[in-house]
Amino acid sequence: EAGVTQSPTHLIKTRGQQATLRCSPISGHTSVYWYQQALGLGLQFLLWYDEGEERNRGNFPPRFSGRQFPNYSSELNVNALELEDSALYLCASSPGGPNYGYTFGSGTRLTVV
Amino acid sequence: AQSVTQLGSHVSVSEGALVLLRCNYSSSVPPYLFWYVQYPNQGLQLLLKYTSAATLVKGINGFEAEFKKSETSFHLTKPSAHMSDAAEYFCAVRQTGANNLFFGTGTRLTVIP
Repeated sequence: EAGVTQSPTHLIKTRGQQATLRCSPISGHTSVYWYQQALGLGLQFLLWYDEGEERNRGNFPPRFSGRQFPNYSSELNVNALELEDSALYLCASSPGGPNYGYTFGSGTRLTVV
Repeated sequence: AQSVTQLGSHVSVSEGALVLLRCNYSSSVPPYLFWYVQYPNQGLQLLLKYTSAATLVKGINGFEAEFKKSETSFHLTKPSAHMSDAAEYFCAVRQTGANNLFFGTGTRLTVIP
């Protein structure tokens, strides 16, 4: 069974540009979660998508947005990039429901210069 | 609101010694609690989860955790540390009414040969 896949592995952008990060969940998983892991800040919850809808959002500005497609894959868009957006962005999926843990991808390392 | 606090950002143990990583939670309702491990340059892997069944939860790689409501704790233990246990460990709690998790700041475990 394929795991959660994220692309690209690394992304370098200039301040002010837009970044698009992609995530393919495990087959059968309907929920996708995005987290930001910045150096020294732990994992910060960004977004939760389930069945194509945004279900919950963390404390991030609106320039962080995303969507979930009918095949449950997801993309995260970050507009007007700032230097402090440099971080590892992790995607996770789960079958849905509170009893399940997440399966994480290996992440996209975004560097803003 | 739910939250978790991990005491000790760095823990060092000798190979073969007991591993104890501390996690305290704050929740107004019975929580769902999780422990994850992150190896360098990788995503997070689920070690174990507590979902209101048995209070002593056994996970992968010989780890276990005990849910203690009176102490609001969910500490992670392993009787004998192995070099391969060196990693960062995260405690997490599920947000009430949602499926997203809130993570602690992590504890980096170093195993000394």
